[in-house]
Amino acid sequence: DAMVIQNPRYQVTQFGKPVTLSCSQTLNHNVMYWYQQKSSQAPKLLFHYYDKDFNNEADTPDNFQSRRPNTSFCFLDIRSPGLGDAAMYLCATSRVAGAGNQPQHFGDGTRLSIL
Amino acid sequence: GDSVTQMEGPVTLSEEAFLTINCTYTATGYPSLFWYVQYPGEGLQLLLKATKADDKGSNKGFEATYRKETTSFHLEKGSVQVSDSAVYFCALSDSGGSYIPTFGRGTSLIVHP
Repeated sequence: DAMVIQNPRYQVTQFGKPVTLSCSQTLNHNVMYWYQQKSSQAPKLLFHYYDKDFNNEADTPDNFQSRRPNTSFCFLDIRSPGLGDAAMYLCATSRVAGAGNQPQHFGDGTRLSIL
Repeated sequence: GDSVTQMEGPVTLSEEAFLTINCTYTATGYPSLFWYVQYPGEGLQLLLKATKADDKGSNKGFEATYRKETTSFHLEKGSVQVSDSAVYFCALSDSGGSYIPTFGRGTSLIVHP
């Protein structure tokens, strides 16, 4: 089945130690998104790629960066994680061609813990 | 800007009870509307969608009708099961070319046997 896969499902890192989360998709969708979700809250968009074009949300901390080396893969890098960055990180994709009425497809997320 | 308002949870029901989760929206143009479900420890899954006024989306016994006159997209199910316990998110995607959806805050549903 075509899908969005996030690895790892659980990631533990130390305060200030860089960490990378990965996302891959077999849907061949042109847009990939990264969300941060904290407990009992809606997902918060960090940034997205439309093809190779990177789009950062205005309130995304500089500590968060992303790479999309090809259509299938996207990475979230947290350069110096703080305790407040402990959260579920969700990757999503969508196919965009014209009107914005296509749903998103989500991975199962990576739960990041900071020691 | 666009916004989605959902009823606060948690909504607590007994098995086989009728479910309504209210969702209203504000948007320019004619958005598409979605309900997503998030089971514990998982990502969001599309539950149903509607792309124009009076459309009814349905899936797994859940239904929602796109009501332009009341700017609403309420989620309903006639008989809930314990396995429906999850968080439900209402979302819209503007028709003006934006592919960044706007999510509601989510409503937690707890179904007791």
